[in-house]
Amino acid sequence: DTAVSQTPKYLVTQMGNDKSIKCEQNLGHDTMYWYKQDSKKFLKIMFSYNNKELIINETVPNRFSPKSPDKAHLNLHINSLELGDSAVYFCASRKNPGQGSEQYFGPGTRLTVT
Amino acid sequence: DAKTTQPPSMDCAEGRAANLPCNHSTISGNEYVYWYRQIHSQGPQYIIHGLKNNETNEMASLIITEDRKSSTLILPHATLRDTAVYYCIVRKRDSNYQLIWGAGTKLIIKP
Repeated sequence: DTAVSQTPKYLVTQMGNDKSIKCEQNLGHDTMYWYKQDSKKFLKIMFSYNNKELIINETVPNRFSPKSPDKAHLNLHINSLELGDSAVYFCASRKNPGQGSEQYFGPGTRLTVT
Repeated sequence: DAKTTQPPSMDCAEGRAANLPCNHSTISGNEYVYWYRQIHSQGPQYIIHGLKNNETNEMASLIITEDRKSSTLILPHATLRDTAVYYCIVRKRDSNYQLIWGAGTKLIIKP
C-alpha cells in the first residue's frame, strides 16, 4: 500500500546511455513532480505536471523528459547520460494545486553514471 | 520568493523537546510556512504547515511569530528516529505551488 513508489531504487549505468525511472502514486493525486538531490543534498525541482500543464525548470537539460502515460504515473526519461547526472531522483505527488496540500515523496532512485 | 534561514545543525537529548528555528523575514501575506524532514536515505516527509496561527498535529507543533518573520518547529519528545534533516520552506506563489528547498537543519538526537 505504498503511496508513491519508484523503480528502480538503484541504477548504475555508463555515460551516453539512455535510461528511464518510473514513478507511480496510488493516492489519486492530480499533480506529480520530479526532484534531483545532488551530492550537496540540495533538493531541486525539475518538473511539475498535472493533467493540464507541464512546468519545466529551465535549468534542466532537454536530455531529461517527463512522460505521463496516465494520471497515476510520471516517468523520467534521460538521454545521453552524463557524469553530472549522478544524483538521487525523487518523485512526489500532491492532491491539487491548492495552498494547503502537502507533497508525498517516493523513496528515491540513486543514479550513478560511470 | 521568500527565503528561509536555518541553523545548519542542532543536537537534542532523547526525550527532550527539540526546537528548530527558522527565519523567513521576507515572507508575503499569503505564503505558508511548511516543514518537511528527510531521514537518511529516504524521501522527504511532510510534517506540518501554517499561515498565521500556531498549529499542532501528531508529529509536531508549529509556532509562528505574530509578524510572521520567523517560526519554530517543536518535536515535543524527541526520539532517536527523529534524527534527520529538517527543512523550513515558504511556498512559492504560483499555480503549481513549487517548494523551494534550502539546506535545512541537521538534527541529531542523542541518547
